[in-house]
Amino acid sequence: KAGVTQTPRYLIKTRGQQVTLSCSPISGHRSVSWYQQTPGQGLQFLFEYFSETQRNKGNFPGRFSGRQFSNSRSEMNVSTLELGDSALYLCASRVKGSDEQYFGPGTRLTVT
Amino acid sequence: GESVGLHLPTLSVQEGDNSIINCAYSNSASDYFIWYKQESGKGPQFIIDIRSNMDKRQGQRVTVLLNKTVKHLSLQIAATQPGDSAVYFCAENMGGGGADGLTFGKGTHLIIQP
Repeated sequence: KAGVTQTPRYLIKTRGQQVTLSCSPISGHRSVSWYQQTPGQGLQFLFEYFSETQRNKGNFPGRFSGRQFSNSRSEMNVSTLELGDSALYLCASRVKGSDEQYFGPGTRLTVT
Repeated sequence: GESVGLHLPTLSVQEGDNSIINCAYSNSASDYFIWYKQESGKGPQFIIDIRSNMDKRQGQRVTVLLNKTVKHLSLQIAATQPGDSAVYFCAENMGGGGADGLTFGKGTHLIIQP
């Protein structure tokens, strides 16, 4: 079974721009979570989607948003990029009712 | 909010020795704990998990110990190999398959000396 995939793997953007990242969960997994990883703050929870609905959200500004499609694929969007948004963005999927999350390789976003 | 932390940012061990990575958590309501391994350029990889109704759980070469009295979690890796070199994170949440995101510790970089 294929793992969680994320595209693109690397991205360079300029301050003020917006970006959209994509995540395809493991087949059969309907829950998708997003995390931000930085050297200073570590891994932080952004939000989780299940059946196209956001179920929970971490402590991030409204510039960070996401959505999930009927095929469980998810996208996250960051608008008005700031230098501090440079990070590895990780997506994880799980089966509903299970706590075990499987992570993708991440998208490395650099904001200049 | 409360967070999960690790005691040491770096741990260096000799190849073949046992490694013990520690983690302290502060949320007494946490029900589910996980250890992840992250190699350079990759996402976190699940190693082993444990629920709050257990004290110990063993996997292949790894053991997780949970001490709820002092809110302490540890990962023991037996006969450490060069492939074990990575950053190890503990994480916790409320469990129950709910929507709460995982709360991660800062990570311990395990370095294997030949």
